[in-house]
Amino acid sequence: EAGVTQSPTHLIKTRGQQATLRCSPISGHTSVYWYQQALGLGLQFLLWYDEGEERNRGNFPPRFSGRQFPNYSSELNVNALELEDSALYLCASSSLSGYTDTQYFGPGTRLTVL
Amino acid sequence: AQSVTQPDIHITVSEGASLELRCNYSYGATPYLFWYVQSPGQGLQLLLKYFSGDTLVQGIKGFEAEFKRSQSSFNLRKPSVHWSDAAEYFCAVGADTGRRALTFGSGTRLQVQP
Repeated sequence: EAGVTQSPTHLIKTRGQQATLRCSPISGHTSVYWYQQALGLGLQFLLWYDEGEERNRGNFPPRFSGRQFPNYSSELNVNALELEDSALYLCASSSLSGYTDTQYFGPGTRLTVL
Repeated sequence: AQSVTQPDIHITVSEGASLELRCNYSYGATPYLFWYVQSPGQGLQLLLKYFSGDTLVQGIKGFEAEFKRSQSSFNLRKPSVHWSDAAEYFCAVGADTGRRALTFGSGTRLQVQP
């Protein structure tokens, strides 16, 4: 069974541009999560989507947004890129089961902002 | 708010030696606890998880962890370390509030000496 996939693997942008990152969850999983892993800041929760709706959001500005498609894949959009947005962006998926679930992570997209 | 502390930033062990990585959490209700491993430039791989029941949980690659509520700890252990275990290890806590975000510790980097 295929795991969580993310594209692209690497993305290089300049300050002020927009970045779009994509994630395909494990088959049968309806929830998708986005995390940022920036140097010195650790792993921080960004967004949670389930059944096409944004369910929870971390402490990030509105220029971080996303959506979930009917096939449960997801996009993360980062507008007006800043140098400190350079990070590894990890997507995870889970199958919603009450309050307990296990998140399975993809390989990540390395975003570099110049 | 929940939090996770991994007191050891960096640990070096000899191949074949035993390993214990420490994790302390802060959360007012029932925690859901995870250990993930990350190889350089890669995503996170789930090693094991604790939701309820037996406080000693077995994971993949010969790892185990013990949940101790009285000490708010969830330490990861392995009786004999292999060179391939060199990686960064993250402890994470999930809430039972339905908000789904995982809170991660800052990680422990494991180096294995031949």
